Amino acid sequence: NAGVTQTPKFQVLKTGQSMTLQCAQDMNHEYMSWYRQDPGMGLRLIHYSVGAGITDQGEVPNGYNVSRSTTEDFPLRLLSAAPSQTSVYFCASSFRPGANVLTFGAGSRLTVL
Amino acid sequence: AQSVTQPDIHITVSEGASLELRCNYSYGATPYLFWYVQSPGQGLQLLLKYFSGDTLVQGIKGFEAEFKRSQSSFNLRKPSVHWSDAAEYFCAVSGDYGGSQGNLIFGKGTKLSVKP
Repeated sequence: NAGVTQTPKFQVLKTGQSMTLQCAQDMNHEYMSWYRQDPGMGLRLIHYSVGAGITDQGEVPNGYNVSRSTTEDFPLRLLSAAPSQTSVYFCASSFRPGANVLTFGAGSRLTVL
Repeated sequence: AQSVTQPDIHITVSEGASLELRCNYSYGATPYLFWYVQSPGQGLQLLLKYFSGDTLVQGIKGFEAEFKRSQSSFNLRKPSVHWSDAAEYFCAVSGDYGGSQGNLIFGKGTKLSVKP
């Protein structure tokens, strides 16, 4: 049982490049979310999804796009990377939001030069 | 919307001493409360959670937390700290499923250092 799998673990981009962070879960969780972690800021919610075909914005959505075409996958896209998007990104999932424990991926460290 | 405040950015305690990390939340209804720990370069590990019932909850690694509704607090405690407890600790809150309230919102974290 793999849980939540994030790829890549590390990535270096140049300003203006695009990329996709992949997130996949094999637990049949309906709820999935993306967070970014910056020093002194904790984890901040970027986007979330309560099921296939449904996505919504979190606290810091600007510069990021998401889609949820299947229950298993929730990719995070950076269309034009900026240095301010240098961060560690975590994907998480659970059966539903609220009184449920999130299962987190191992994280993806992104550096934008 | 819910929010979490962790007043202490960095705490240093001696090994064997007791520990209390503070957490205050803001949410209009009954909150669901969590404490996570993150060792350097690692992911997040759930220490404990409160959904309902007994307001004193026990977690892994000898940690406990007490939910105090009147103070909007969920402080984390450990009677005797070990050097391996050095890490960053995050308090988090979510609400009932409905709109954005079900999302998990984190505090900014408290970094714990342990002196030998």
